[in-house]
Amino acid sequence: AQSVTQLDSHVSVSEGTPVLLRCNYSSSYSPSLFWYVQHPNKGLQLLLKYTSAATLVKGINGFEAEFKKSETSFHLTKPSAHMSDAAEYFCVVNAGNNRKLIWGLGTSLAVNP
Amino acid sequence: EAGVAQSPRYKIIEKRQSVAFWCNPISGHATLYWYQQILGQGPKLLIQFQNNGVVDDSQLPKDRFSAERLKGVDSTLKIQPAKLEDSAVYLCASSLDRGVRWNNEQFFGPGTRLTVL
Repeated sequence: AQSVTQLDSHVSVSEGTPVLLRCNYSSSYSPSLFWYVQHPNKGLQLLLKYTSAATLVKGINGFEAEFKKSETSFHLTKPSAHMSDAAEYFCVVNAGNNRKLIWGLGTSLAVNP
Repeated sequence: EAGVAQSPRYKIIEKRQSVAFWCNPISGHATLYWYQQILGQGPKLLIQFQNNGVVDDSQLPKDRFSAERLKGVDSTLKIQPAKLEDSAVYLCASSLDRGVRWNNEQFFGPGTRLTVL
């Protein structure tokens, strides 16, 4: 069965410091993995996706994620946090022929001045 | 390219009333999704269409919720009768989808915020 676990429900960082949002997945198939961001009262936006090409994926707004099959992880990182990065982040896995997506519970990122 | 359109953006109803939401996906997108997002939680998939066929409706409360995508383009989601716990944002998304195992990214609409009093 497929599943996704976001290891932190809430992360707080200072502006200018690195961001790490952790995501682990479980899949019997080669997965596609996504990170979405949701700013307060706004819609969901795709940050980046992994679809069996390069394991290091670069997304928008300076975010990137590395697919590590041995660790079944797809952690999201950014070298330097900006105040505008404060939002809810969702890790999503697709790992089946039925195209069903499994959503993590989300990680709330706070950025302190 | 126009995005996913949803209407209405906001709706307030009394419990036991009925309500309908409309979604127009991005042109050419084969897959359409309806999600329910309760405040403070992640999106929960209600139903997924591939063209006009249902791929997954396992989490749709079928005693009160229904959805259709008759011509494989736009879709409606209906709740009848509504309960207090249906208060949420209802999100529609679409994806292009090609091939058997390929899943393109989902593009989300702005959502409909439903309040049931």
